Amino acid sequence: QTVVTQEPSLTVSPGGTVTLTCASNTGAVTNSYYPNWFQQRPGQPPRPLIYSTTNKHSWTPARFSGSLLGGKAALTLSGVQPEDEAEYYCLLYYSGAWVFGGGTKLTVL
Amino acid sequence: EVQLVQSGAEVKKPGESLKISCKGSGYSFRNHWIAWVRQMPGKGLEWMGIIYPGDSDTKYSPSFQGQVTISVDMSTNTAYLQWRSLKASDTATYYCARGDVLDYWGQGTLVTVSS
Repeated sequence: QTVVTQEPSLTVSPGGTVTLTCASNTGAVTNSYYPNWFQQRPGQPPRPLIYSTTNKHSWTPARFSGSLLGGKAALTLSGVQPEDEAEYYCLLYYSGAWVFGGGTKLTVL
Repeated sequence: EVQLVQSGAEVKKPGESLKISCKGSGYSFRNHWIAWVRQMPGKGLEWMGIIYPGDSDTKYSPSFQGQVTISVDMSTNTAYLQWRSLKASDTATYYCARGDVLDYWGQGTLVTVSS
């Protein structure tokens, strides 16, 4: 069974930088997994941030960036704002199907 | 403007059937995949499956294969998610989203299954 793992929770100070990661139990995450990242605030649908590892949607703030880091997909927030407090999910592609990670609850404190 | 508008909340009993919908507008419906995503109360997102309206090619997550059916009606630009026999564990919010990058999302449909 494919399992995608994210940090359950992270805390960052306003103005700080934080990196969220996304790992696969099948091995190193590469561009072939087309990593996507989503932000979800309570009571709202998920909001897409990053697709295919590094690509931003037209609405994605510049402070969000995607990369590969140490065999994982990564989402880095630079200059964190209070409104960035939310749940973040990664999504990876596996031969015709996609799997979400368990999500990271990001607290801005 | 791209929009995905989902059908309203449902309250059902175990064993009942259900079909919820997702109507696309503002883009070429036939040329973009539509995915379905489950979110159980207080839990994370789960990718259920995806359909290509142009040819009805459908792929399911192994976790949902045989449990639900995804379909599409090209005449109304609408995708569907259906159950033959609901269980209490199907209680969740179900989202549809466009494409394999899930760039646009519906507002979600809350399905409550309770006796």
